[in-house]
Amino acid sequence: GAVVSQHPSRVICKSGTSVKIECRSLDFQATTMFWYRQFPKQSLMLMATSNEGSKATYEQGVEKDKFLINHASLTLSTLTVTSAHPEDSSFYICSARGQPEANYGYTFGSGTRLTVV
Amino acid sequence: AQSVSQHNHHVILSEAASLELGCNYSYGGTVNLFWYVQYPGQHLQLLLKYFSGDPLVKGIKGFEAEFIKSKFSFNLRKPSVQWSDTAEYFCAGGSSNTGKLIFGQGTTLQVKP
Repeated sequence: GAVVSQHPSRVICKSGTSVKIECRSLDFQATTMFWYRQFPKQSLMLMATSNEGSKATYEQGVEKDKFLINHASLTLSTLTVTSAHPEDSSFYICSARGQPEANYGYTFGSGTRLTVV
Repeated sequence: AQSVSQHNHHVILSEAASLELGCNYSYGGTVNLFWYVQYPGQHLQLLLKYFSGDPLVKGIKGFEAEFIKSKFSFNLRKPSVQWSDTAEYFCAGGSSNTGKLIFGQGTTLQVKP
C-alpha cells in the first residue's frame, strides 16, 4: 500500500533557529502534498497545499514566510519552520495525494513533534 | 466553503455498548470522506474511506460508516466497543474541486471497562 515517510519524528531546536521537515512518498508519485499542524487535544489544521513544481497555497492565517514549503519533486516535499519560537512548538503532519485516488489519496506521514526551547 | 463538522466532542461508553459518531460535511462537487483514529501518543490511522459505490463502508477493527447524501452525513458506527477503542476519532472530507482534505474537530471516545 501507499507509504509516506516523514522525518524527523521529533526535533528540539533553540528559539531563533530554523528546522526542516521532510515528507516523502515511497511507492507512489504525489502530485499534491498537504501540511497540517496539530495542537494537543485538537484537530488537524491544514496549513498549506503544495503541488509539484509550483508555489504552495497557504491557508488563511498561516505565515508563508515563516513556514516555507518546497515541493521539488513528485516524491518529496519539505516544510521549513524559519526563526522558530516556542509558540511554533506543535505536531506537524504531512499528507500526500497520488493517483488513482482510491489507492493513493491522502496518505499521512507519522508526524514530527517540534519543540522550540 | 468546504467544512466538516463533528457534533460529539466527548463520548463516554461502557464496553459492549454500541457507538455512533456523527459527521456532517459541506462541500460543492464530488466529495471523498474518511474516518481516522488517533490512539494516545500515536499518529493517525485510517479506519475507512468512501469514494463512490456502496454508501455503507466497512473498515478495520469492526467499524463501518454510512454515506447519506441527502443528509450530508457520514456517521461512524461500531456495534460493540472495547476498552481498546479509547482514542480520538476524526472525520475528514476531501473535495475533488480543491483537493484539500479538511478535518472535523474530532471526538474523544472513552470506553470504560
